[in-house]
Amino acid sequence: GQNIDQPTEMTATEGAIVQINCTYQTSGFNGLFWYQQHAGEAPTFLSYNVLDGLEEKGRFSSFLSRSKGYSYLLLKELQMKDSASYLCAVLPNDYKLSFGAGTTVTVRA
Amino acid sequence: DTGVSQDPRHKITKRGQNVTFRCDPISEHNRLYWYRQTLGQGPEFLTYFQNEAQLEKSRLLSDRFSAERPKGSFSTLEIQRTEQGDSAMYLCASSLVVSASANEQFFGPGTRLTVL
Repeated sequence: GQNIDQPTEMTATEGAIVQINCTYQTSGFNGLFWYQQHAGEAPTFLSYNVLDGLEEKGRFSSFLSRSKGYSYLLLKELQMKDSASYLCAVLPNDYKLSFGAGTTVTVRA
Repeated sequence: DTGVSQDPRHKITKRGQNVTFRCDPISEHNRLYWYRQTLGQGPEFLTYFQNEAQLEKSRLLSDRFSAERPKGSFSTLEIQRTEQGDSAMYLCASSLVVSASANEQFFGPGTRLTVL
């Protein structure tokens, strides 16, 4: 099976920066995704990394180190609407997307 | 709105009843996936289709579960003789895969099933 670990909860203040770490052990690797999911809603795509390094997209950045089996999602200039669950998902050799349990981020005023 | 729709959005049923959910993917997408998500967990893969062919089923999918995608467009997921443990959010996703590469999956809003 696949093993994907991420913290359960994080809390940060509006305007601050939060980094959500994800470590994985999978049977092969074909890319890592980050999704955002608000309560009761579907996951929405944030980022995709397949090569090592940092991908920046506005206030959100995602980093990947394949040799370490490690990724992080960086949320900058936090806004109240960023309060959500953030899901790390890895595409292993069988191409069946495998999700972590999600990190609930709470943004406080 | 990602362009993937699911119906119904909510379903409450009694134990032992059969239920059927529908998913309409983004029209040009050739792959369609079904996931199950329980509270506090990430989505778990159930099955997926490439066009109308069902390529894989998770061991989570017991004999009571069946999925179809008859014309390679919409898909249905049926659960027979529902059990309380089937209560979950059932998510559908679609993607366009043109080679053996990773592609973003677009998720529908989900069907929340409650089995009493």
